[in-house]
Amino acid sequence: KQEVTQIPAALSVPEGENLVLNCSFTDSAIYNLQWFRQDPGKGLTSLLLIQSSQREQTSGRLNASLDKSSGRSTLYIAASQPGDSATYLCAVITQGGSEKLVFGKGTKLTVNP
Amino acid sequence: AAGVIQSPRHLIKEKRETATLKCYPIPRHDTVYWYQQGPGQDPQFLISFYEKMQSDKGSIPDRFSAQQFSDYHSELNMSSLELGDSALYFCASTPRAYTEAFFGQGTRLTVV
Repeated sequence: KQEVTQIPAALSVPEGENLVLNCSFTDSAIYNLQWFRQDPGKGLTSLLLIQSSQREQTSGRLNASLDKSSGRSTLYIAASQPGDSATYLCAVITQGGSEKLVFGKGTKLTVNP
Repeated sequence: AAGVIQSPRHLIKEKRETATLKCYPIPRHDTVYWYQQGPGQDPQFLISFYEKMQSDKGSIPDRFSAQQFSDYHSELNMSSLELGDSALYFCASTPRAYTEAFFGQGTRLTVV
């Protein structure tokens, strides 16, 4: 059974700092990994999708990397801003028939002005 | 760009009542997923549909049922509601299997 872990559970940084969020998964046989942002009580906004054959994806100040063999992904946020404050979730689709996303519990990020 | 639309956004029901949640996927997306997110929890997969047929099933209680209609919208029907059913319910759609999932804003169900 696929399990996704995100470390740290919470992170507080000053504005302008570069930061890294970590995601690990137990079954490396995945189709893809997706990073989401969730504001309190709101929906999930897709940030980046990395296919299993890819090593990284970039969108603006965000860069996500994937090391499938070791079951790890990182989300790098450059020059953090208070508006980046949210919970960041990673999720994977595992090979083996099911198309469902399996989520980690998220990292709650607070960027202080 | 069109997004996944869910209605209603908020719903308050009493115990033992019935609730129906609706989801309108992004046009030309053929797969719809339902997830439940309890307070402080990660989203848990309930059920999915591909081309109007159920394709996968997760930890969905027998009190819940869902279907996808000919216009691709989906409905999640929840009966005999319990206090523990209070949660955010998300619908997501993908253009095809194993691609980027797009989520709606969710329906917040409160059972009192």
